[in-house]
Amino acid sequence: GAVVSQHPSRVICKSGTSVKIECRSLDFQATTMFWYRQFPKQSLMLMATSNEGSKATYEQGVEKDKFLINHASLTLSTLTVTSAHPEDSSFYICSAQRTGVVKLFFGSGTQLSVL
Amino acid sequence: GENVEQHPSTLSVQEGDSAVIKCTYSDSASNYFPWYKQELGKGPQLIIDIRSNVGEKKDQRIAVTLNKTAKHFSLHITETQPEDSAVYFCAASKGDSSYKLIFGSGTRLLVRP
Repeated sequence: GAVVSQHPSRVICKSGTSVKIECRSLDFQATTMFWYRQFPKQSLMLMATSNEGSKATYEQGVEKDKFLINHASLTLSTLTVTSAHPEDSSFYICSAQRTGVVKLFFGSGTQLSVL
Repeated sequence: GENVEQHPSTLSVQEGDSAVIKCTYSDSASNYFPWYKQELGKGPQLIIDIRSNVGEKKDQRIAVTLNKTAKHFSLHITETQPEDSAVYFCAASKGDSSYKLIFGSGTRLLVRP
């Protein structure tokens, strides 16, 4: 099966700092990766679509300068939460689409807590 | 844009009974419908999916049905077990080049031993 690795699994940071989350496809090449945000007991909300070698496409209402996405290779995408504030505390999940395959595979998620 | 509605929000069943979760979608162009199981503190895990050219798909105790005319699709779990307890999400995609998924609101399934 396709494995998507996401790190870190949990991070606690002070308000105003930046946090980077990595998403790697371990055994396949991912042309497209997606970043989701999930609040407790709620559904996954798509934040942005990341295509290798090009700028990410952000969903309406998501600040691109706040949530920096880089997809520099076919196996790695990163999400950086810049100048994090308590309201950014959430569960962030990435998913990767294997080139030419419909199915999406998800990472294990990152719980971000901003103090 | 696409909207996916999911019901019920919570479902409690006795071990061994069946569980059914239903979703409706708004965009008739949607053609790919996966179901995910999410356990606490983990990412979603794909359990079954169906494309619009198929009406039903089964994998052991799990089945999914699709009614394109009514824009409904459902997840059926038979002979439920306590380890089936989790949150289940349906999703829909138009299957364009990026296969962007729109998720339902989730169903918290509790299987009572």
